[in-house]
Amino acid sequence: GENVEQHPSTLSVQEGDSAVIKCTYSDSASNYFPWYKQELGKRPQLIIDIRSNVGEKKDQRIAVTLNKTAKHFSLHITETQPEDSAVYFCAAIPTMDSSYKLIFGSGTRLLVRP
Amino acid sequence: KAGVTQTPRYLIKTRGQQVTLSCSPISGHRSVSWYQQTPGQGLQFLFEYFSETQRNKGNFPGRFSGRQFSNSRSEMNVSTLELGDSALYLCASSPNPDSEQYFGPGTRLTVT
Repeated sequence: GENVEQHPSTLSVQEGDSAVIKCTYSDSASNYFPWYKQELGKRPQLIIDIRSNVGEKKDQRIAVTLNKTAKHFSLHITETQPEDSAVYFCAAIPTMDSSYKLIFGSGTRLLVRP
Repeated sequence: KAGVTQTPRYLIKTRGQQVTLSCSPISGHRSVSWYQQTPGQGLQFLFEYFSETQRNKGNFPGRFSGRQFSNSRSEMNVSTLELGDSALYLCASSPNPDSEQYFGPGTRLTVT
């Protein structure tokens, strides 16, 4: 079945720097890739997503890039702020079984140092 | 619109008991998925429902079951609870099966 690997598991950056989190997926037919942010004790929140017919998508300080050939996608956060500190999860929806279940990466704990 | 709601928010049960968790999706959303979140296994897919039909199930034992009602509300049931079932159970709703999924606050289940 689909497998999603996420790196790094922890990331510490200085406020104002950029942060990049990378994910690879195994099902070449996957066509939807969301990113979620989960603060301590809260629900995962969808922050950005991308479909396989698009190579890049931006929303203010957040961007996601997708390389279908290499089967990897990345989250880019620019001008990081302390409130960006959270656990970030990437996910993919495998299409081989026509069910729209999210397969999640293992998460990246981002710490933005003031 | 009101977000996804889940009840109860916290639950403590003992081994061998059963539990039923409830999820009310965002109004108009017809697809509901359930996930289990634990520190060791991360976020794992349990099941997905659309129009009262379970369309897929994750790799969980038969003790885990669910259903969806005609108003799209969903319940999941875990029978014969084990210590390892302690987790945060999250449901997510989406307007259509291939659309973005929005999570509820979760039900934190502790099995003692």
